[in-house]
Amino acid sequence: SAVISQKPSRDICQRGTSLTIQCQVDSQVTMMFWYRQQPGQSLTLIATANQGSEATYESGFVIDKFPISRPNLTFSTLTVSNMSPEDSSIYLCSVVLGAYEQYFGPGTRLTVT
Amino acid sequence: DAKTTQPTSMDCAEGRAANLPCNHSTISGNEYVYWYRQIHSQGPQYIIHGLKNNETNEMASLIITEDRKSSTLILPHATLRDTAVYYCIVRPPLAYSGAGSYQLTFGKGTKLSVIP
Repeated sequence: SAVISQKPSRDICQRGTSLTIQCQVDSQVTMMFWYRQQPGQSLTLIATANQGSEATYESGFVIDKFPISRPNLTFSTLTVSNMSPEDSSIYLCSVVLGAYEQYFGPGTRLTVT
Repeated sequence: DAKTTQPTSMDCAEGRAANLPCNHSTISGNEYVYWYRQIHSQGPQYIIHGLKNNETNEMASLIITEDRKSSTLILPHATLRDTAVYYCIVRPPLAYSGAGSYQLTFGKGTKLSVIP
């Protein structure tokens, strides 16, 4: 299994500001992802964080709004830029081990006022 | 749309086995059955997965019917910490997945309440 930590665990931010979320994994992993989970909803994939290259974004998500860094195989950051109340959500880091197992971090609960 | 159907909620006495059913009648030949759980406000926790054989790990057992149209997750000795929403999903092997395969549609899941 993989142990994933995220910082911060929660934050309350003002409209128009930015927040950077950190994800640290206890082992080297190739596949790392960022998800969003809005209240009462399922997960939505934001992007795949690629080590050494630009992230691959899903439809509806753009780099200017959600810039991602992946400097090595154990660490990634997601920035939520120019926040609005609609960005209030839980943001989750996730990694895949082997062919079958996908693990998630504890999440960062973001509230934008 | 979720490809699985689960009961909305279940109760289980502490120390007893919790049996959580899932219907996946449209499962494809290469799709695996996965179970995750989510405790309030935390990230989803991987529990177990299987293709067609029964599987067991330190957390749970997974029983898949011979026609693969349904399965049951068994927590052998439920504790209060097992209270969570349990999600059953079907998906192809991650190593062979194409674009969009990491989207996870969890559906509503089953809210399991373990009663003291």
